[in-house]
Amino acid sequence: DVKVTQSSRYLVKRTGEKVFLECVQDMDHENMFWYRQDPGLGLRLIYFSYDVKMKEKGDIPEGYSVSREKKERFSLILESASTNQTSMYLCASSLSPTVYGYTFGSGTRLTVV
Amino acid sequence: GENVEQHPSTLSVQEGDSAVIKCTYSDSASNYFPWYKQELGKRPQLIIDIRSNVGEKKDQRIAVTLNKTAKHFSLHITETQPEDSAVYFCAASTPSGTYKYIFGTGTRLKVLA
Repeated sequence: DVKVTQSSRYLVKRTGEKVFLECVQDMDHENMFWYRQDPGLGLRLIYFSYDVKMKEKGDIPEGYSVSREKKERFSLILESASTNQTSMYLCASSLSPTVYGYTFGSGTRLTVV
Repeated sequence: GENVEQHPSTLSVQEGDSAVIKCTYSDSASNYFPWYKQELGKRPQLIIDIRSNVGEKKDQRIAVTLNKTAKHFSLHITETQPEDSAVYFCAASTPSGTYKYIFGTGTRLKVLA
């Protein structure tokens, strides 16, 4: 079974802090994604990466950046956390999204106070 | 821009009845349509998918239909059971070559025993 592991299940951070959310997958997938999930808004794409050191903006990249130094790890960075970034963050990976779909991590529920 | 609309947002059915969730996509070049099920507190999981060269696909009690002309696709669950209670998300691939999805806003299905 493909495993996508997010480092923290719950996280509480203060406004203005720099926050790192880590995601690791163990199946050599090229494609990795960060989504945020909010009630009534579904899953919205923040950033994705289709190769090491490659990244592309999704639909809501403002206030976020990403890092992909190794194939298995995709990090989401909140440069200066704000209360409107309180959300559930989901990482996903895929070998070929239109053949195998995504495998999601368990999510990190981030609260910014 | 690219958009996926999903209806209804909530759906309650009696155990044993059928449930139908509908999605509409905007980009006629989308060619892959997965459905994800998210149980409370758990990660979204792929339950069925369909490609644009197929009109219908079944897997036991679940089926998906696609109408490319109308840009509609639907999830059908027959003989619903309490364990079908979850949030269901539809998605459409974007044909940009980078394999990201646009997700619908989700449907909370409650199966009443």
